[in-house]
Amino acid sequence: QSALTQPASVSGSPGQSITISCTATSSDVGSYNFVSWFQQHPGKVPKLLISEVTKRPSGVSNRFSGSKSGNTASLTISGLQAEDEADYYCCSYLPSNTWVFGGGTKLTVL
Amino acid sequence: QVQLMESGGGVVQPGRSLRLSCAASGFIFSSNGMHWVRQAPGKGLEWVAVIWYDGSEKYYADSVKGRFTISRDNSRNTVSLQMNSLRAEDTAVYYCARYGWGKVMDVWGQGTTVTVSS
Repeated sequence: QSALTQPASVSGSPGQSITISCTATSSDVGSYNFVSWFQQHPGKVPKLLISEVTKRPSGVSNRFSGSKSGNTASLTISGLQAEDEADYYCCSYLPSNTWVFGGGTKLTVL
Repeated sequence: QVQLMESGGGVVQPGRSLRLSCAASGFIFSSNGMHWVRQAPGKGLEWVAVIWYDGSEKYYADSVKGRFTISRDNSRNTVSLQMNSLRAEDTAVYYCARYGWGKVMDVWGQGTTVTVSS
């Protein structure tokens, strides 16, 4: 069964850059470029940050960027700010017309 | 503006049924597929189901297949999730989300809470 693995937590200081990885356990997921990233603050609705690996929707800060290498997608947040403290989820479309989310990563801004 | 509003959540006993609805506004509903995604208390996001823009195709997560049914009414701009044979592990906040360009969930509702408990 396809799955996406994320680190449970990452941390960084204001102004620094951090990267959150999202590794697919199967090559069928890794071969697709339909990976998206969401930000979720506690008690809030998930917000789309990145679509199709690298595309940033209108209104999303350019401090957020996405990339992919092989079976691993990554979200990089540059110029870390206190408001970036949240949970982050990757999500991938699967060949069977289904979707899978990663387990989520808690970002702490020190 | 684009809005999604879920309703129908509540407390239900194991084995019973519940029907969730999601009302859409601010976009051409009949042009977009729609998803349901859920989040158990303190847990991560789990994709549940998707329906194509015209209702012609529907797909489900293995965890709900055979128990949940997604449907839509394009004349009323609504998408629904019929949940049967509910289990404690179905307890979650259920979100509807728009199927956007690039196979992404680009707009989310506020969510409705389902609690399965005796």
